[in-house]
Amino acid sequence: RKEVEQDPGPFNVPEGATVAFNCTYSNSASQSFFWYRQDCRKEPKLLMSVYSSGNEDGRFTAQLNRASQYISLLIRDSKLSDSATYLCVVMTTDSWGKLQFGAGTQVVVTP
Amino acid sequence: DAGVIQSPRHEVTEMGQEVTLRCKPISGHDYLFWYRQTMMRGLELLIYFNNNVPIDDSGMPEDRFSAKMPNASFSTLKIQPSEPRDSAVYFCASSFFEGPAGGAYNEQFFGPGTRLTVL
Repeated sequence: RKEVEQDPGPFNVPEGATVAFNCTYSNSASQSFFWYRQDCRKEPKLLMSVYSSGNEDGRFTAQLNRASQYISLLIRDSKLSDSATYLCVVMTTDSWGKLQFGAGTQVVVTP
Repeated sequence: DAGVIQSPRHEVTEMGQEVTLRCKPISGHDYLFWYRQTMMRGLELLIYFNNNVPIDDSGMPEDRFSAKMPNASFSTLKIQPSEPRDSAVYFCASSFFEGPAGGAYNEQFFGPGTRLTVL
């Protein structure tokens, strides 16, 4: 079983709509959580960290549920430029500095 | 800052040839990571270094792969001999570990990648 699992999608979203997706992690020692974004044929880049209380960054909202071991990302008012693959990432206490990446969820925003 | 620098950006080689990928991390970063990405397997961690010392190489596919970090500003990933199944995008990333509470300060910065094709 992979340590970080995501629905690969694609999630086809009309421009202006809201889309949300989750990822689950299996290691209870997971301590830090992130969402990275990867555009086609580009490198992954940090989108946002995920904090226990949930956090927002503009149109993006991230939530963490430690009891059920899942993380969510919600995108409001989707833009065409939001089309990308979103990678769920965790860091565990037994391997500080090392990140575990999910396989990614593809989002396609259509006009 | 120039960010993480990788070379070459593209490499096309024939099966059996030696391939060397190069990476210059961001100055001051103490962690360096090598990843491989394919459509089938996604992003896989091959090996990572902390202060130039290899910490975990369990992701290295087999003995044909080797990685070195002779100093804080340079690392290489070598494949010898190369095979068609090694075709992938290879990313180098670096970070400065701020500790468990570091949050986004533990961000890994990726280089643009090397797109390797083995014929």
